[in-house]
Amino acid sequence: SQQGEEDPQALSIQEGENATMNCSYKTSINNLQWYRQNSGRGLVHLILIRSNEREKHSGRLRVTLDTSKKSSSLLITASRAADTASYFCAPNYGGSQGNLIFGKGTKLSVKP
Amino acid sequence: EAGVAQSPRYKIIEKRQSVAFWCNPISGHATLYWYQQILGQGPKLLIQFQNNGVVDDSQLPKDRFSAERLKGVDSTLKIQPAKLEDSAVYLCASSLRSGTDTQYFGPGTRLTVL
Repeated sequence: SQQGEEDPQALSIQEGENATMNCSYKTSINNLQWYRQNSGRGLVHLILIRSNEREKHSGRLRVTLDTSKKSSSLLITASRAADTASYFCAPNYGGSQGNLIFGKGTKLSVKP
Repeated sequence: EAGVAQSPRYKIIEKRQSVAFWCNPISGHATLYWYQQILGQGPKLLIQFQNNGVVDDSQLPKDRFSAERLKGVDSTLKIQPAKLEDSAVYLCASSLRSGTDTQYFGPGTRLTVL
């Protein structure tokens, strides 16, 4: 399967702690995208990192990409209760279609 | 900028009935996607349109699912007849140009088939 595989499947932390989620994929990508989904809602785009980039930041989010290991990580610093959600990585393999292939996600719970 | 709009938000039907979902993408977005998300899973692509042409429908169960994108803007997804296993959230997304761009998702339609 070409979907991203997130790890861990579930993560529970206290408010203020950092949360790290990992993603592995199988073949060469055009880019890799991270999305958040709050319970019962649509997906919200967080960060797109291209295959020639190694690190990207957006506010409290930091994404890294290691194409040699075919892996990416999402770090959320100083987590808040509002960060409680499912997080999905989606490799984009480019080509004529270039659609996203989602894994099962990491369910993050941030306790106040 | 208005986001992706979907309707209805919720739908409950009996098996073997038909149902239709509507999506209005972000203005100017050329690419439109329909995803199916079963509880506990990530979204699975059903069909991808580029303007009003189909780019990928390899995972669309064509014996019961159909979709169209009118004039390259709005889109409808239909299921006829519905099965119990079609219970899921149906998500519409759009992107500016191609499939490698950021995708923007609508709120989804939660379908329950009894």
